[in-house]
Formats: sequence, structure tokens, C-alpha cells
Amino acid sequence: QVQLKESGPGLVQPSQTLSLTCTVSGFSLTSNSVHWVRQPPGKGLEWVGAIWSGGSTDYNSALKSRLSISRDTSKSQVFLKMNSLQTEDTAIYFCTRPQTGNYFDYWGQGVMVTVSS
Amino acid sequence: NIVLTQSPATLSVTPGESVSLSCRASQSISTSIHWYQQKSNESPRLLIKYASQSISGIPSRFSGSGSGTDFTLSINRVESEDFSIYYCQQSYSSLFTFGSGTKLEIK
Repeated sequence: QVQLKESGPGLVQPSQTLSLTCTVSGFSLTSNSVHWVRQPPGKGLEWVGAIWSGGSTDYNSALKSRLSISRDTSKSQVFLKMNSLQTEDTAIYFCTRPQTGNYFDYWGQGVMVTVSS
Repeated sequence: NIVLTQSPATLSVTPGESVSLSCRASQSISTSIHWYQQKSNESPRLLIKYASQSISGIPSRFSGSGSGTDFTLSINRVESEDFSIYYCQQSYSSLFTFGSGTKLEIK
């Protein structure tokens, strides 16, 4: 069955770089896109970016200058890297897989990332 | 970027009432809107796709309508398990966006 699981450090210092991994199973990264969505504590959902089945990427305009999404298809892993972290980047980070129609039907459990010294 | 505005921010209702939640897009997006429910400490769950298409396993009391810029999620006779936060999401643009959410709470 389709599964996604996020992993990464729970605590990152301000100005440092965040690296997260989404490990997927039950589908191929060359057939489906994977997106990142984040949620600050007590706030709403924010679309972060995506890597499409062909390998191209799209990013939230507000984060584009700090963000990179890549993948390793042989390991079924998608990577998120965000630099120059600030406290406002503290959030739960989800990876999610959309159906062909670009609605999100499968979600990971999320990983909490706290930006603090 | 396409901005989605949800209203109201909070809706207080009594179980058994029927409700309508609004999502308005900053430009026409045809029917490329999807609705999610999120309970505390859980990942979002897809409720409705493409404005009005039902999802397998979702109770029939949930329905959606609208096109262009104005969309509505309706819940017929709210049940206790429905008290949570609801988000809309657009896929008209490849730069997806979510609305800010509507919290459905018990009056």
C-alpha cells in the first residue's frame, strides 16, 4: 500500500540549513509527484513545493530563494533542503502524494521541526 | 499566486445542524478545488475533489459545490466527529495553495 514517512532533525539552529527526507513505498517516484506541506503550531497548512514525476520542481514563491527539493528514485526518497532558517520556519513538515488530479490522497505522519538556539 | 480566502474563520454549531463553509479564489479556477478535514494532531484527510466529486469512504453528509471563484463545502446534520478544521486547496496553478481554514466548533 502507499506509504510516506518523513524523517529529519527535530531541532535546527537559526540561520542553519534544514534537511528532511520523505521515504515512500507502494508507488514509483517516476510515475507520481511528491509535495511538501508545512503547518506552524496552531496555524494553517502551507504548500511548500513539489517534485514532479519527470523530475522538475515547483516552489512556493515566498520560499523559493531558500528551498531545494530533489529525489533519489533508486531509494524511493525525496529530499527537502531549506537554508537560512528562522523561527518562523518552525512547523510540522508533511510529505504528501497527489492523485493524477493533483489532490492529496496520501499523507505522511509529519515531522516536527523547531528552529531555536 | 492564487489566494484562497475561507470564511468564516470559526463556526460554532450544535450537533444536528447543517452548515456551509466558504472558499473564495482570487481568480477563476474552474472546479480545481479540493477540501480536507484535519483533526488535532492528525494529517489532513481528503473529503471532496474537484469542487463536488465525492471520495470513497467519506460520509455522504459531506458535499461540495461551486465553480469559478466561489466554492462551498456543506455538511448535512453535523455529527460530533465532524468538529475539526476544514481547508480548501487549489490545483489550477502548478503553485498549489491552501485556504486559511475554517474551524468547526461545538456551540
